[in-house]
Amino acid sequence: DSGVTQTPKHLITATGQRVTLRCSPRSGDLSVYWYQQSLDQGLQFLIQYYNGEERAKGNILERFSAQQFPDLHSELNLSSLELGDSALYFCASSIRDRGNYGYTFGSGTRLTVV
Amino acid sequence: LAKTTQPISMDSYEGQEVNITCSHNNIATNDYITWYQQFPSQGPRFIIQGYKTKVTNEVASLFIPADRKSSTLSLPRVSLSDTAVYYCLVAMNSGNTPLVFGKGTRLSVIA
Repeated sequence: DSGVTQTPKHLITATGQRVTLRCSPRSGDLSVYWYQQSLDQGLQFLIQYYNGEERAKGNILERFSAQQFPDLHSELNLSSLELGDSALYFCASSIRDRGNYGYTFGSGTRLTVV
Repeated sequence: LAKTTQPISMDSYEGQEVNITCSHNNIATNDYITWYQQFPSQGPRFIIQGYKTKVTNEVASLFIPADRKSSTLSLPRVSLSDTAVYYCLVAMNSGNTPLVFGKGTRLSVIA
């Protein structure tokens, strides 16, 4: 157990639908990062939050959004889902808002869009 | 961020030492070299980090030559459970850009 909790572990939904993925960071960590991993693209950085504020944005689609709540858990919202959004979505946390300090990853949420 | 180049895949037999080399020719003075391991359907896991010379922990060793343009992750006596993808990353510890993962090296350990 890495200390980063992601729910649900698996999600199957239809095209056009909206889903919410949840992440609880490791105790004491203030940064949350979201990554998408598909077979052909590898691990792609989506977005980072630090202590409730957005800190960095990567290749995140406009149909996707995220937020970090006062208790530091984070949610990634994916809407108008397409088949190509099927992927593993990972959340990672770290104690700082920047830098190459060790990231702790969760086990991921496997999203299947049918 | 410094660009890294590592082999796409490697095969090894159980019990052998495995060395995975990563090339990072444009590494900056403040960059650190970090390796992550990812098992199928799991999130990446931090293995080791170094700046220069040699770093060793209970999992692996990291060798960095004086010019720091490459680094080698050494896994002693691998077992089947070491089958995974290994990522080499180069970034500043105080940088403000989140970690960018490349394709990594897919290591297959054969009995």
